[in-house]
Formats: sequence, structure tokens, C-alpha cells
Amino acid sequence: EVQLLESGGGLVQRGGSLRLSCAAPGFIFRNYAMTWVRQAPGKGLEWVSSITGSGGITYYADSVKGRFTISRDNSKNTLFLQMNSLRAEDTAVYYCAKAESRRPNWFDSWGQGTLVSVSS
Amino acid sequence: DIVMTQSPATLSVSPGERATLACRASQSVSSNLAWYQQKPGQAPRLLIFDASTRATGISARFSGSGSGTEFTLTISSLQSEDFAFYYCQQYYKWPPMTFGQGTKVEIK
Repeated sequence: EVQLLESGGGLVQRGGSLRLSCAAPGFIFRNYAMTWVRQAPGKGLEWVSSITGSGGITYYADSVKGRFTISRDNSKNTLFLQMNSLRAEDTAVYYCAKAESRRPNWFDSWGQGTLVSVSS
Repeated sequence: DIVMTQSPATLSVSPGERATLACRASQSVSSNLAWYQQKPGQAPRLLIFDASTRATGISARFSGSGSGTEFTLTISSLQSEDFAFYYCQQYYKWPPMTFGQGTKVEIK
């Protein structure tokens, strides 16, 4: 069974940085694109960023472009999201999600989420 | 960006009844549409991909239909565990991938 285990969330001041991790044991990690999706308190789902299986191509929402960086270490089956210049509107639960193929499409497995709170 | 609009925002249904949820795209997404279920405090769970294909382990109570701009998720004979939020997502033209705002299915 696929397991995705996020970590790295917490409380940070506006303008600060955090690095989220998503450990992904149990499947051939390099064969699948991965994505970060966030959910602000009481709100819906928002796509944040995706990365292909090889890590060679990355994609970002306009709201985070230039501030967030997605990366992966296929030797350690781990996905990362480096978040800089954090804003109050970045406060959300951040989920990592696995795609069905090397290119992002739908998300067939999700982590339990990690909460990022940005204080103003 | 493709805007996904779900209706209704809240659907009140009695157990055992059928629920029909709608998702409309601002432009054609072909059949590149997925549906997710989310219960409070939990991660989303994939129900349907490619508009009408049930994900592994998903009950046959859940069915998806549509193509282009109009899509429907039908839950036949609602069970207590089906009361939750439901989201549609397009993956036809991106970035950005976009989700609908969600439909809450509540007990009538």
C-alpha cells in the first residue's frame, strides 16, 4: 500500500521560510510525478506545485511562483517543498499527492497533510 | 485558467437516496476530470478519474459521467459514510490544475 508521510509544517512569521518533506516508501518513487496541494482553513483544495518523476520538469501556481521550490530525491524516495517569503495567505494544510504516471494528472494517493501557519 | 464550478454548494440527502453532483468547466477538458471525497480532518480520496473510471477499491455506488464541460458524480443509495465534501479536478490544460470549490453532501 502506498504511504505518503509529510513533515516540516509549523508556525512561522511572515517573511520566513519552511521546508516540507514527504517520505514515500512502498512504491517505485521515480516512476511517478508528485504534487503539493494545499487547503486553507475551511476552504477548498488548491494545487500548488508538481514535479515529474525524473524531477526534470517542475510546475507552479502563480500564487507561489518565485517563492516556493519543489524538488525530489529519488534515491531517498522523498519529495520536498521549500517555501520562502511566506505570507499569511499561505496558511494551510499542505498535502503531498502521488500521480498515476510520470507526468502529473490525477492524484491516486495522498498524505495526511502538514499544517503551515504564517503569523502576521 | 480553466475555472471549475460545482453545484450545488450543499446537497441535503436522506440515507438510501440518490445524490447527483454537478461540475462544470469554463472550457472543454475532454474527459480529463477526477472526483475526490474528503471527510473532515482527513485527506482527499480519489473516487473517479477520466470522468467515469472508478479508482481501485471504490464502491460501485459511485459513478461518474460527462465530457467536455459538463460532468456528474452520482452516488446511488447514500450510506452514512458517504456524507462528506466532494471535489472535481481538471487535468486537461494546466498549469494550473484546478479544482472546483466543492459540494458538501449532508444528512437531510
